[in-house]
Amino acid sequence: EAGVAQSPRYKIIEKRQSVAFWCNPISGHATLYWYQQILGQGPKLLIQFQNNGVVDDSQLPKDRFSAERLKGVDSTLKIQPAKLEDSAVYLCASSFGRTTFTDTQYFGPGTRLTVL
Amino acid sequence: GQNIDQPTEMTATEGAIVQINCTYQTSGFNGLFWYQQHAAEAPTFLSYNVLDGLEEKGRFSSFLSRSKGYSYLLLKELQMKDSASYLCAVRDPLGGNNRLAFGKGNQVVVIP
Repeated sequence: EAGVAQSPRYKIIEKRQSVAFWCNPISGHATLYWYQQILGQGPKLLIQFQNNGVVDDSQLPKDRFSAERLKGVDSTLKIQPAKLEDSAVYLCASSFGRTTFTDTQYFGPGTRLTVL
Repeated sequence: GQNIDQPTEMTATEGAIVQINCTYQTSGFNGLFWYQQHAAEAPTFLSYNVLDGLEEKGRFSSFLSRSKGYSYLLLKELQMKDSASYLCAVRDPLGGNNRLAFGKGNQVVVIP
């Protein structure tokens, strides 16, 4: 079974530039998550989709970050304009989305963003 | 609010046993997850506890005490490949979305 796919794996940009990340979840997973992981920290949820609807974006800096999942499958996360403090690994995860206790999240390899 | 606390780093010898602790204070509780994360790689799922007690899975075991807000991950017969960060994450059902709150991770270094 294929895992969560993400691209690009690495990105270096200058501050005030724009950048976009792509994620393709595991087939059949209704829920998709974007996390930001700063070096030395645990992942922090940015946004959660259930199919093509947003269920939690309370921790997304909406003045510069946006995300969409138009057809309920793959998703893009955009930063415009980027700041130095956005340097981090951006992880995408997916899960079946069942309202059971387990509903394990499976993570993609991440995109390492460096803002200069 | 949510607070997940883990020690930052520990070193252990190959073949030994190591216990990684996690304490948490969250608004609600709907399960605790342990993930392993090797350097520059994605977190991979190790275990899940929702009821008190010990869950054993091969060389890894995870324990939960909900009344104490405490969990530990036990790694037995340590191998060099176990050198990684171990993340504790609590699922909080308040807000209706079952958000996972992660700790900072405990970096385990296995030495020969």
